Amino acid sequence: QVQLQESGPGLVKPSQTLSLTCTVSGASSSSGNFYWSWIRQPAGKGLEWMGHIYISGSTNYNPSLKSRVTISGDTSMNQFSLMLRSVTAADTAVYYCARVREDWDYDDNHFYYMDVWGKGTMVTVSS
Amino acid sequence: QSTLTQPPSASGTPGQRVTISCSGSSSNIANNTVNWYQQLPGTAPKLLIFRNNQRPSGVPDRFSASKSGTSASLAISGLQSEDEADYYCAAWDDSLNGRVFGTGTQVTVL
Repeated sequence: QVQLQESGPGLVKPSQTLSLTCTVSGASSSSGNFYWSWIRQPAGKGLEWMGHIYISGSTNYNPSLKSRVTISGDTSMNQFSLMLRSVTAADTAVYYCARVREDWDYDDNHFYYMDVWGKGTMVTVSS
Repeated sequence: QSTLTQPPSASGTPGQRVTISCSGSSSNIANNTVNWYQQLPGTAPKLLIFRNNQRPSGVPDRFSASKSGTSASLAISGLQSEDEADYYCAAWDDSLNGRVFGTGTQVTVL
């Protein structure tokens, strides 16, 4: 059974860089047909997709965060990471990592869904 | 910058049927599959529906979903107290080249 666990500092100062790691257990993150994603949720608000990384190292980012975010993968250790630069109070949120499964049907139509989530980690931006 | 619109709340009594709508556009729902996630209070989201209307193993058949054009909907039949949660739709957006979530709907069992 695949499990994901986020880890990192719970408190980050404004203007600094938020760094989190997601550890994958129970399966290899280097296996095919998976993307590895970060999502965040400010208190009392909805979910925001931040970006994802594929095993090839290719990434996609939310355009609203693209200038500040980097997602990287250390597939040999079954971990992937999030860096968010120049944080402000608006970046205070619960951060989740999730596995995105890629599947396809008989007509070779591809579809994607987040089938495994970590429990989330709270990050507060404050001086 | 969510581009999928859901009603903020929905409610029903035990046993009733509740429907949640998810409104998008030609760049997301119309051209890509829709997934639904259930977030129980204080927990991480959980996959509820994938590929528009497919239930993962373990999800009760009380949950069903559909998609038509630029909209999707989730239905909960035989509403139960444990269904009290926030529900989010999600889809890939071709214009943003990224994934978008719905605004979320809080379901209350009266």
